[in-house]
Amino acid sequence: EPEVTQTPSHQVTQMGQEVILRCVPISNHLYFYWYRQILGQKVEFLVSFYNNEISEKSEIFDDQFSVERPDGSNFTLKIRSTKLEDSAMYFCASTPGAGIYYEQYFGPGTRLTVT
Amino acid sequence: GQQLNQSPQSMFIQEGEDVSMNCTSSSIFNTWLWYKQEPGEGPVLLIALYKAGELTSNGRLTAQFGITRKDSFLNISASIPSDVGIYFCAGEYNQGGKLIFGQGTELSVKP
Repeated sequence: EPEVTQTPSHQVTQMGQEVILRCVPISNHLYFYWYRQILGQKVEFLVSFYNNEISEKSEIFDDQFSVERPDGSNFTLKIRSTKLEDSAMYFCASTPGAGIYYEQYFGPGTRLTVT
Repeated sequence: GQQLNQSPQSMFIQEGEDVSMNCTSSSIFNTWLWYKQEPGEGPVLLIALYKAGELTSNGRLTAQFGITRKDSFLNISASIPSDVGIYFCAGEYNQGGKLIFGQGTELSVKP
């Protein structure tokens, strides 16, 4: 069964450094998302991406964040200058976006630790 | 903003018991989804609900989309140890839009 994949599984970085989190959404899905989950808390929406542009973003997704779909398969989240409070699990998700079926499928996540 | 209230926060049950958890919202959602998350993993989709009043089953799991479109429940029948995890409800207002997650229900099952 097709899955969303994410790399790396764990990223440790120093405050102020740039990180890029990578995702390969399910093939032929049209909508892509990034969410984050701070330890012990609920999953929070960051950004959605459709037709090669951002369709919606949350207040968390400030100028330090950016997303890109550099080719037909990868979807990346970049944090330009990481802060301690960026430490969290980051999940990529995708949805077929066809008919009435818009259920979102999540990847296994990248644990980002900012020191 | 849209908020989901999920209850209970945690449940400790005996293997074989039935479980029920629910989510309520002050806003209307057009889609309700239920996910299960195990430690260090991503949320895994259990059930998706698209119409008010819809009742859907997936094995021992049953979920309903409330008639007011502001609530949903998930039932697990005859629980087993591998049901352990955190269950999240999520609501979606626009097709393809963001998911709003509940706070989660942590389920523990004693063999």
